[in-house]
Amino acid sequence: AQKITQTQPGMFVQEKEAVTLDCTYDTSDQSYGLFWYKQPSSGEMIFLIYQGSYDEQNATEGRYSLNFQKARKSANLVISASQLGDSAMYFCAMREAASNTDKLIFGTGTRLQVFP
Amino acid sequence: EPEVTQTPSHQVTQMGQEVILRCVPISNHLYFYWYRQILGQKVEFLVSFYNNEISEKSEIFDDQFSVERPDGSNFTLKIRSTKLEDSAMYFCASSKGLAGGLVKQYFGPGTRLTVT
Repeated sequence: AQKITQTQPGMFVQEKEAVTLDCTYDTSDQSYGLFWYKQPSSGEMIFLIYQGSYDEQNATEGRYSLNFQKARKSANLVISASQLGDSAMYFCAMREAASNTDKLIFGTGTRLQVFP
Repeated sequence: EPEVTQTPSHQVTQMGQEVILRCVPISNHLYFYWYRQILGQKVEFLVSFYNNEISEKSEIFDDQFSVERPDGSNFTLKIRSTKLEDSAMYFCASSKGLAGGLVKQYFGPGTRLTVT
């Protein structure tokens, strides 16, 4: 069963606008963590933000915020004031506390293109 | 900020050859991971390593794969007899530990393996 679903293979946004990248997840665990990573064309994986399942407030990191809706099992990434350098692949990932390791399960990613 | 490093950045090898991919995790981290990403696809977990042994591995991590921490700093992934389908980007990652299970994983820049 698909654990992490990213339904948007590609998104376009104009510079300085906000954009939301969707992520839904499937787990029966009560304790889990959700992560977003950015992968520019150079290939590295850059950690952006994470949300714990028990966190009451949505996570924020600078221009990144996570719209966490637990009942709907969604953890959408919001990028405010997009910049050209935000053009990249974005991956949502989950870690389940029931796992005896920290392994991350990734979605298929969304390619974001920011245009001037 | 401390970084995970990986060498080489790109490795080309012939089918049937052995390859060793090298990683230097962050020095005070305790958990180490290998992931792979076939071109254009999502990142997939291969193996996790803690306390000098494998703590979890995926179905991808068959007998052709092995991991080792030969000294206090390096963490290696060996593929004994490479196949064409092993061509991928291989990421090493490390984390401090489970600490409630929601600890950030730091990814290295990746090694692109091309099997011809």
